[in-house]
Amino acid sequence: EDKVVQSPLSLVVHEGDTVTLNCSYEVTNFRSLLWYKQEKKAPTFLFMLTSSGIEKKSGRLSSILDKKELFSILNITATQTGDSAVYLCAVSGGSNYKLTFGKGTLLTVNP
Amino acid sequence: NAGVTQTPKFQVLKTGQSMTLQCAQDMNHEYMSWYRQDPGMGLRLIHYSVGAGITDQGEVPNGYNVSRSTTEDFPLRLLSAAPSQTSVYFCASSYEAGGLYTGELFFGEGSRLTVL
Repeated sequence: EDKVVQSPLSLVVHEGDTVTLNCSYEVTNFRSLLWYKQEKKAPTFLFMLTSSGIEKKSGRLSSILDKKELFSILNITATQTGDSAVYLCAVSGGSNYKLTFGKGTLLTVNP
Repeated sequence: NAGVTQTPKFQVLKTGQSMTLQCAQDMNHEYMSWYRQDPGMGLRLIHYSVGAGITDQGEVPNGYNVSRSTTEDFPLRLLSAAPSQTSVYFCASSYEAGGLYTGELFFGEGSRLTVL
């Protein structure tokens, strides 16, 4: 059974701080790891990672995958209150179309 | 483009009632799926479809049926609602790029279901 564990489960920071969110996984026939951001409603896609060591970057957000140690990190620099959300990690493996999600990290950024 | 549209947004049912959650997408995506989200549990896959006429079970399929008669529509049926099915339900679609499944899900806004 595929498994995704995210840590920490929740995190409170001040604006301007840098945060690192963690995602470890166990999956048969790994294909990809994805990060999503969920504010009040539906999750929105951030990144998809398939290769180790290659950083994906979008503005202040970046992510990297380590396929040997089976984990990924999501970094957010110079956090803003608008970054407050639940960040979800998901992996795709085996049957390509089934994503297994972690429970998410609730990030709260205080002004 | 409307993207992924789910209806209804809210529904209250009594135990034993049946209902259908509707999902439609206008992006011509091959892949569609239904997830439920419960506090502390993350998103769990109920059923998914890789194309019209093809469906398969996810992690928590019991109590739910799906069908995919067209590319656009993927309704989720609750056969006999139970309080354990109280949840927020998300429909999602996805696509291939260069012949490879991307895993990028486009979600509907969710349907909050309460079963009394």
